[in-house]
Amino acid sequence: DIQMTQSPSSLSASVGDRVTVTCRASQGINNHLAWYQQKPGKLPNLLIYGASTLQSGVPSRFSGSGSGTDFTLTISSLQPEDVATYYCQKYDGAPLTFGGGTKVEIK
Amino acid sequence: EVQLLQSGGGSVQPGGSLRLSCAASGFTFSNYAMGWVRQAPGKGLEWVSTISDGGRRTYYTDSVQARFTISRDDSKNTLDLQMNSLRAEDTAVYYCAKEGAPHSGGGYIDHWGQGTLVTVSS
Repeated sequence: DIQMTQSPSSLSASVGDRVTVTCRASQGINNHLAWYQQKPGKLPNLLIYGASTLQSGVPSRFSGSGSGTDFTLTISSLQPEDVATYYCQKYDGAPLTFGGGTKVEIK
Repeated sequence: EVQLLQSGGGSVQPGGSLRLSCAASGFTFSNYAMGWVRQAPGKGLEWVSTISDGGRRTYYTDSVQARFTISRDDSKNTLDLQMNSLRAEDTAVYYCAKEGAPHSGGGYIDHWGQGTLVTVSS
């Protein structure tokens, strides 16, 4: 099975900082990669699918890039409401594996 | 508005069984693959199972294969997860999940149920 590895597992940044989260697949998955945001005590929320397509209603400060095995989620200017854990998920075929998550905090 | 209303769950002893249900509304249920994702306390998201639109194909994570059964009733717009031979490591919040694209056979998730806690403990 393809493994999904996220890094870092946690990060702390200042408001306004550019934040980057990386997700690496152990084998190529084309662009079948989604990113989710889960705020404490809340449901996960779809941010990006197809590696780079922004879900409707998601702020434009979020962006995704990559294809094959290496993917990136970028927050261009970190806001207090972005405090959350972020997960990638592959969906090229079962199993639809999630990454281990990246916890983003404000410094 | 898409709604996924979950029921079922609760506490059970190891080796026991539980059934989770998810009632869907606000979209053409039969056109979408559906699935279940779980989250153990303080842990990350774990995909559990997916059933294709039409119900012909089902998929499971290895740890629940042969113990869990996913099913759907397109006439009632419902999704079920029958969980047998439950183990302590199955303890988690279980989310009903709707795939984002029609006829995708299993893809990204654009809507989630409210979650239901399953606790397996003696």
